[in-house]
Amino acid sequence: ILNVEQSPQSLHVQEGDSTNFTCSFPSSNFYALHWYRWETAKSPEALFVMTLNGDEKKKGRISATLNTKEGYSYLYIKGSQPEDSATYLCAPLYNTDKLIFGTGTRLQVFP
Amino acid sequence: GAVVSQHPSWVICKSGTSVKIECRSLDFQATTMFWYRQFPKQSLMLMATSNEGSKATYEQGVEKDKFLINHASLTLSTLTVTSAHPEDSSFYICSAGGRRRDLETQYFGPGTRLLVL
Repeated sequence: ILNVEQSPQSLHVQEGDSTNFTCSFPSSNFYALHWYRWETAKSPEALFVMTLNGDEKKKGRISATLNTKEGYSYLYIKGSQPEDSATYLCAPLYNTDKLIFGTGTRLQVFP
Repeated sequence: GAVVSQHPSWVICKSGTSVKIECRSLDFQATTMFWYRQFPKQSLMLMATSNEGSKATYEQGVEKDKFLINHASLTLSTLTVTSAHPEDSSFYICSAGGRRRDLETQYFGPGTRLLVL
């Protein structure tokens, strides 16, 4: 059973703070990583699909980096806003062609 | 982005009844859809892969006779929980997207919360 770990489990920050969280996963037979943002009562929303070692993606104030050799990815949010409050999920993709989800990091941004 | 709808959003049923959950891709065709289940404080767990026009592929430990999947068209997949029991109470969510999951994201429905009494 592949174990995908996300840390921290939850995070509370003030509006304007920058924050980051981690996704760790087995790197053997891995070939892509998905990040999603999941707001309560809504559908998970895609953020990034990352494939290459050293890959870095950016979408507005959110960016992510990927280390495929050591099996981790960081998600950064610059200048957090209340609307960033959500659960952030990572899901590595393996050669079984299946996404394996972590339990997520729950972010709460206070005004 | 593409939209996936799911219906119903929540359902309460009596033990022994069957419940059907629909997953629709509203503005694109999906040859493959995925069904996940999430128990409290756990991650999304893949239950099965739904293939249009053919049988679904179930993950180890998921009973195919218990969780019937039908993917009769390119925009609709259904999951039927047959003879539901309290232990089937969970959050069920579907996704669809491009074939190249190393390049393309998945689009998720909003999920269905099932409570079996």
